[in-house]
Amino acid sequence: SQQGEEDPQALSIQEGENATMNCSYKTSINNLQWYRQNSGRGLVHLILIRSNEREKHSGRLRVTLDTSKKSSSLLITASRAADTASYFCATVTGNMLTFGGGTRLMVKP
Amino acid sequence: KAGVTQTPRYLIKTRGQQVTLSCSPISGHRSVSWYQQTPGQGLQFLFEYFSETQRNKGNFPGRFSGRQFSNSRSEMNVSTLELGDSALYLCASSSLTGRNTEAFFGQGTRLTVV
Repeated sequence: SQQGEEDPQALSIQEGENATMNCSYKTSINNLQWYRQNSGRGLVHLILIRSNEREKHSGRLRVTLDTSKKSSSLLITASRAADTASYFCATVTGNMLTFGGGTRLMVKP
Repeated sequence: KAGVTQTPRYLIKTRGQQVTLSCSPISGHRSVSWYQQTPGQGLQFLFEYFSETQRNKGNFPGRFSGRQFSNSRSEMNVSTLELGDSALYLCASSSLTGRNTEAFFGQGTRLTVV
């Protein structure tokens, strides 16, 4: 079963706009990670945020984590057509990654 | 440094057959995990191996099994294939114990059961 639920399931924006995706989870975690998947291919790690961190940045990515609400958000600023992909949050409990259902992002040029 | 390699990339099998998928992790990575991805169920954890020992197992029937060799390469086997086993099977490797490190994924094996 999936630990996380992502919202929205699909998002369509224009190039240059910001994209925000949210993830909620159910149990306590060691850390939370975000991954990107281009159509039918493997996942690529984007960013990891530890349970004692509240915010983290990496290039155009900003991730927040609220452990009291068991939620996280991924913000992609100044989106590009190449950002079109599915984005998944994954919680880490022990040595196991549990993925959410993902958000399909389409960035229109 | 070579990435995670999964073979084969595509596979078509008939119901009732068995299949073996292979995964070569990044050199030096000792943790290998397997995931099944389907449109209906999303990404689901199958099992994780570390130093040839299965440390975690997901909620899959016994038809799904795996192993890890001394060189960290891993195989997963599905016996008595069912139509519902059609999926993208992804392998991921990570260094250390995988707890606070990222996982590196292969491109996956697309299995179609007919």
